[in-house]
Amino acid sequence: EVQLVESGGGVVRPGGSLRLSCTASGFKFDEYGMNWVRQVPGKGLEWVSGINWDALNTHSTDSVKGRFTISRDNAKNSLYLQMNNLRVEDTALYYCARAQGGIAATGTDHWGQGTLVTVSS
Amino acid sequence: QSALTQPASVSGSPGQSITISCTGTSSDVGSTNLVSWYQQLPGRAPTLMIYEVNKRPSGVSNRFSGSKSGNTASLRISGLQAEDEADYYCSSYAVSSTLVFGGGTKLAVL
Repeated sequence: EVQLVESGGGVVRPGGSLRLSCTASGFKFDEYGMNWVRQVPGKGLEWVSGINWDALNTHSTDSVKGRFTISRDNAKNSLYLQMNNLRVEDTALYYCARAQGGIAATGTDHWGQGTLVTVSS
Repeated sequence: QSALTQPASVSGSPGQSITISCTGTSSDVGSTNLVSWYQQLPGRAPTLMIYEVNKRPSGVSNRFSGSKSGNTASLRISGLQAEDEADYYCSSYAVSSTLVFGGGTKLAVL
């Protein structure tokens, strides 16, 4: 059974940093692209960043470029999102989601339960 | 990186069929078969219902079907059931190697 467990969310002041983690199990992690998708409570889904199976290609939505960095450690079956210079508008539930193949942007097929990030002064 | 366009809400009676549209551009929906649909029940993470325009993952009811024409993809749910009441999202691969979601559609089963 595919399992994705996120951690690292919390409350942070504007301009602060957080590092989210996602631990995967139940599949060959190094064969799949991975994504971070966020959702403001009561609002829609927004793709944040994706990383291909080999970590050689990463992509992010424009609003987080230069502030967020996606990475992975295939030896640890783990996905990360380093978030710097956080803004109030980054407040959301952040989901870790497995891609449908080795390329992250193909779409997702399994999701974790999310970790909540709140940016507030 | 504009969101795909979905109707905010649709509704139907039990047993009826409904269709949810997802309109993009020639840079996303119109140029790929990597279009997916997700169901999100209240308080839950999304689950995949359709991938590659019209394929169903194992375990998804055949009452759910997908199609695409030009820049618009569609999700059809036949034989509506109360348990289908949820939010539905589409997603598409975009030519910039990014993933774009629709704004979401709230389905009410009256």
